[in-house]
Amino acid sequence: NAGVTQTPKFRILKIGQSMTLQCTQDMNHNYMYWYRQDPGMGLKLIYYSVGAGITDKGEVPNGYNVSRSTTEDFPLRLELAAPSQTSVYFCASSYSGVAFFGQGTRLTVV
Amino acid sequence: AQSVTQLGSHVSVSEGALVLLRCNYSSSVPPYLFWYVQYPNQGLQLLLKYTSAATLVKGINGFEAEFKKSETSFHLTKPSAHMSDAAEYFCAVSAALGGKSTFGDGTTLTVKP
Repeated sequence: NAGVTQTPKFRILKIGQSMTLQCTQDMNHNYMYWYRQDPGMGLKLIYYSVGAGITDKGEVPNGYNVSRSTTEDFPLRLELAAPSQTSVYFCASSYSGVAFFGQGTRLTVV
Repeated sequence: AQSVTQLGSHVSVSEGALVLLRCNYSSSVPPYLFWYVQYPNQGLQLLLKYTSAATLVKGINGFEAEFKKSETSFHLTKPSAHMSDAAEYFCAVSAALGGKSTFGDGTTLTVKP
């Protein structure tokens, strides 16, 4: 099983550009999450979804958008990238409380 | 509301020494608690979980954690550190098995030869 797959692994964006971080899982989990990880700051929840068609904001949703049209996919959209969005982004799905993480996307905004 | 505090952002031990990583939680309902490990340039992986069964939970790679309600703690231990244990460790709390987890800020474990 592939588990949770994120693409791309690395990306450099210019200020004001937009991009979509892709996330797909093949475990048929209803719950999916997007986190960002900054050095020494742990994981901050951006958005989450409890099933297809349902999304909700986490702690730090500003500057991001998500959609969940299928159980498998949970893309994260960055509009008008800012230097403050430089971070490592992790997608995760969960079952019975246990989270399964992707390998992360390292994003730099310059 | 739920929160997690990991005491000590960096812990350094010698190979073969006891590993103790501290986690205290706050939860308005009986919590579910987790420890995850993150190796460099990878995502987090589950080490162990507490789901209200036995208070002493054994995980992978020789790690275990004990749930102490009176101390609101869930500290992670390993009797003898190995070089391969060097990583970042995260404690997490959830109010329900299907709910979202709140993560601590992480503790970086360094193992000296």
